Formats: sequence, C-alpha cells, structure tokens
Amino acid sequence: TQLLEQSPQFLSIQEGENLTVYCNSSSVFSSLQWYRQEPGEGPVLLVTVVTGGEVKKLKRLTFQFGDARKDSSLHITAAQPGDTGLYLCAGARTSYDKVIFGPGTSLSVIP
Amino acid sequence: DTGVSQDPRHKITKRGQNVTFRCDPISEHNRLYWYRQTLGQGPEFLTYFQNEAQLEKSRLLSDRFSAERPKGSFSTLEIQRTEQGDSAMYLCASRTGQYNSPLHFGNGTRLTVT
Repeated sequence: TQLLEQSPQFLSIQEGENLTVYCNSSSVFSSLQWYRQEPGEGPVLLVTVVTGGEVKKLKRLTFQFGDARKDSSLHITAAQPGDTGLYLCAGARTSYDKVIFGPGTSLSVIP
Repeated sequence: DTGVSQDPRHKITKRGQNVTFRCDPISEHNRLYWYRQTLGQGPEFLTYFQNEAQLEKSRLLSDRFSAERPKGSFSTLEIQRTEQGDSAMYLCASRTGQYNSPLHFGNGTRLTVT
C-alpha cells in the first residue's frame, strides 16, 4: 500500500515556465518533507512543513501543507535547468514512526 | 560533520551469493534508516534503528535480508542468496531523535545481481 502518492510522475517543461507538483495521502502526517535527488546521489532535504495550512518559501520554490495535514504541494516559479531532478515527498505519521517516501516526480527543465 | 558514508559504492555479484553493505552515519545521529530504490522510483523503506535497537522492519522484506547496528554506531545490511530482483540502489540515512529532524542520506550502494 502506497501511503504517499505524487503527481505527476513525469514533467518536462521549458525554462521559465511555472509548475506545481502534488503529494497526497489518505493518512494524517505529523509533518511532511520535500527532498530533491540527482542521479547517483542521495536525496537532499528542501523543506519540512509541520503545521496544517503552512506555507514556506525557498527562493523560487513555494511549499504548502494542507489544512488536514494529508497533502502538500510544491510550486516552482520560473523553472531553470538546475531544477531538474527527482522531487520526493516524505513523512512520518508520528514523531517516532518510520519515514516513508512517495514515488517521486521526475522533473526535466529544458533550456 | 563528515556526512553519511556508504561502502561499497557499487557491487556486482552473481545470483545466489551473499553481500554485505556498510553505512557510517553522522556521529551524533541516533536514528539510522535503510531504503531500497529502483530507477525513477522513490526510496522504499526497509528498516530503521534507534541506537542499537531495530525498531521496525518492512513486512515486504524477505528473511534473506538482515540488518544490524552494533553499539549504535555503524550499520550493516546483509542480503543472503541474492536474486536478480534484489538489483537496486541501497540507501542509508541518519537523523537525530529531535522531532521532524531531516534525514541525511549517503550516496548509496548500487547492487547488480547477474
């Protein structure tokens, strides 16, 4: 059973375009994290969202945690080729629970 | 902070052989996780430790897989009687016990079973 779903699975866009990727679950999570992974490397944390309805900004990236703490979104403004990678959401249902990952969104930004 | 290190980076083995991977976490991190990842997919949870105690093991994991973390420091993941379906990237991550602390990943061990 996949507890975290992500959409779209693949996304190919032109440089300068905006995009949004989604992370959804039927379960409530104490927090959700977004990671970015490049080929041959481990995932690297982008942000952690904890409070329902929370919005966090990291330069051109905007992260939102749903009010019910079951979903999250990542919006990228004016995408650049350096944004290319696999975007993963991850979460734990309690602070002592294991951390599980969604299947990821593979983003390709074409110059 | 030297980061999480994994050894080896690559392992090629023949079906039926046993393999062992090592992970050295960030020294002050008491939680250590093992994940398996296939191309283009998200990491799949295998098991995790708090200090030397193994707190959970995935129900999807066969008995051929075993992990240890003696003395709560480094960890090893052993796969016995490897099968071609075991070919994947095996990722190790560590974190502190603080609420919502992030996972710090190594660069993984890529296993190829021929």
